[in-house]
Amino acid sequence: DIQMTQSPSSLSASVGDRVTITCRASQNIRSYLNWYQHKPGKAPKLLIYAASSLQSGVPSSFSGSGSGTHFTLTISSLQPEDFATYYCQQSYSNPPTFGPGTKVHIK
Amino acid sequence: EVQLVESGGGLVQPGRSLRLSCAASGFTFDDYAMYWVRQAPGKGLEWVSGITWNSGSLGYADSVKGRFTISRDNAKNSLYLQMNSLRAEDTALYFCAKAIGYSSGGYYFDYWGQGTLVTVSS
Repeated sequence: DIQMTQSPSSLSASVGDRVTITCRASQNIRSYLNWYQHKPGKAPKLLIYAASSLQSGVPSSFSGSGSGTHFTLTISSLQPEDFATYYCQQSYSNPPTFGPGTKVHIK
Repeated sequence: EVQLVESGGGLVQPGRSLRLSCAASGFTFDDYAMYWVRQAPGKGLEWVSGITWNSGSLGYADSVKGRFTISRDNAKNSLYLQMNSLRAEDTALYFCAKAIGYSSGGYYFDYWGQGTLVTVSS
């Protein structure tokens, strides 16, 4: 199975900050990388698919980049509703695997 | 509006069975593969099982293979997960998710339900 890692595991940030989350794959997954936002008690929400494509309805403050084994999710200006846990997920090979998550806290 | 509503969770003793359901609406259900993903307390997301649109291909995580069975009824717009021989480590919030493929062969989960909680304990 392809192992996914994320860094940091958690971070504290203020409204308006630029935030970058890193995801690494244990082998080359080309651009088969997706990002999700999850808040407690809510359904996870797709943010980015195919490494850099913004899902319809997601604010343009979210962006994704990378290919191969190294990927990043950037929030250009953190908003109050962005405090959540973020997961990367690869779909290059089965089984699909998720990173352990990055929790974004309010500073 | 796409909606996925899970049901069937609850408290069950180790070794017993439970059947989860996911009712889908707002899209053409039999056009899409569907998946189950779970989140154990305090943990991250873990893929459990997936099924293609016509049930022609099924997949399971090693941790549930031989104990869980995924199925769907396209006439009822419903996805199911039959969970047998449940263990304490199966305790989790179980989400159903709709999958969509992109042109180069990958896929992603574009809609998720809010989950149904399964607690395995004596």
